[in-house]
Amino acid sequence: QITLKESGPTLVKPTQTLTLTCTFSGFSLRNIGVGVGWIRQPPGKAPEWLAVIYWDDDKRYSPSLKSRLTVTKDASKNQVALRMTNMDPVDTATYYCAHRRVTTAGRRDAFDIWGQGTMVTVSS
Amino acid sequence: DIQMTQSPSSLSASVGDRVTITCRASQGISNYLNWYQQIPGKAPRLLIYTASTLQSGVPSRFRGSGSGTDFTLTISSLQPEDFATYYCQQSYSQTFGQGTKVEI
Repeated sequence: QITLKESGPTLVKPTQTLTLTCTFSGFSLRNIGVGVGWIRQPPGKAPEWLAVIYWDDDKRYSPSLKSRLTVTKDASKNQVALRMTNMDPVDTATYYCAHRRVTTAGRRDAFDIWGQGTMVTVSS
Repeated sequence: DIQMTQSPSSLSASVGDRVTITCRASQGISNYLNWYQQIPGKAPRLLIYTASTLQSGVPSRFRGSGSGTDFTLTISSLQPEDFATYYCQQSYSQTFGQGTKVEI
């Protein structure tokens, strides 16, 4: 059974850097065809994809946020981290990590299993 | 960037109704289209991927169709647990639609 859980601060100040950790079980990022993505959802709005990292360390980012994002993995710990710099109140959202199984060319697969999400508020 | 437009943004329906939600991409995306269901306070749940493939464990009353720029999610007979918000997502550059809220 695949599970994912996000952890990190619930409150950050403007201009600070946010670091979130996704701890997962039921799969390994050492296995071919596996990825973990990050998606956020501001209150009352649609989800927004942020980043994804794959077993082969391929990393992809949202073009609009690429300059602020870094995604890393520690396969030995079954963890993926997301770092977002220069936080602003508009970044207030629930942040999710999600599993992706690569089956398509171009890695255009859905996120099939999601974590419960963690709410992050940006305020001074 | 590829924009996804869902319609309607909300709808009222009753148990047993047939419900159809549409999603239009601003450019062709082949069949790289996914549908998610979200209940308030919960994470999105994958229903359908590659436009028409039912995710394991999802009831057969959910059906997806379409290719290119126009896609449809159909719920054949609405059940009480189906009242939720539905999002489409294209897998080229990962953008989501704005959502369709299905209400009683």
